[in-house]
Amino acid sequence: EVQLVQSGTEVKKPGDSLKISCKGSGYSFKSYWIGWLRQKPGKGLEWMGIIYPGDSDTRYSPSLQGQVTISADKSISTTYLQWTSVKSSDTAIYYCAKQPEGTNRGDFDYWGQGTLVTVSS
Amino acid sequence: EIVMTQSPATLSVSPGERATLSCRASQSVDSSVAWYQQKPGQAPRLLISGASTRATGIPARFSGSGSGTEFTLTISSLQSEDMAVYFCQQYNNWPPMYTFGQGTKLEIK
Repeated sequence: EVQLVQSGTEVKKPGDSLKISCKGSGYSFKSYWIGWLRQKPGKGLEWMGIIYPGDSDTRYSPSLQGQVTISADKSISTTYLQWTSVKSSDTAIYYCAKQPEGTNRGDFDYWGQGTLVTVSS
Repeated sequence: EIVMTQSPATLSVSPGERATLSCRASQSVDSSVAWYQQKPGQAPRLLISGASTRATGIPARFSGSGSGTEFTLTISSLQSEDMAVYFCQQYNNWPPMYTFGQGTKLEIK
């Protein structure tokens, strides 16, 4: 059974650093692109970026490039999303999600449970 | 950036009736569209990929159609458990610049 299990709720102050994680199981973690997406309170979904754990090839949304860093450690089947300095506008639920096998497959077939990040002074 | 526009914002349908949700792309995305269902407090669930292919385990009452710029998700006979927000997503570019519609909230009348 494919599972993506994310780290728990985070409460941070503006300017804090933050790293959240997503651990995959039940499939060959290194062989599938995995993405990070966010959902601000009461809003829709926003794609942030994807990473191929096999070689750490990473692609970012142009609007978020430089704001966050996506990484992966294939030895422990885990991907990370990190900030050096969070802002109140980073308050959101963050999801990791796996892409299916195949070319031109930018959809997401399995999702983590989400990590709530709250940034408030 | 390709903008995905969903309509209507809210749809109220009686159980057993058909629900039709629309998604329009600002430029052609071929058939690279997915539909997701999101219930309150849950992660999205993939329903349809490639505009018309049901994902594993998705009931046959869900169907997708369209290509180019106009796409439709149809729920043929609405069940109470279908109450949710539905999002469309395009993925027709590489390097990727995936975008989502703003969602349609489906209410049971």
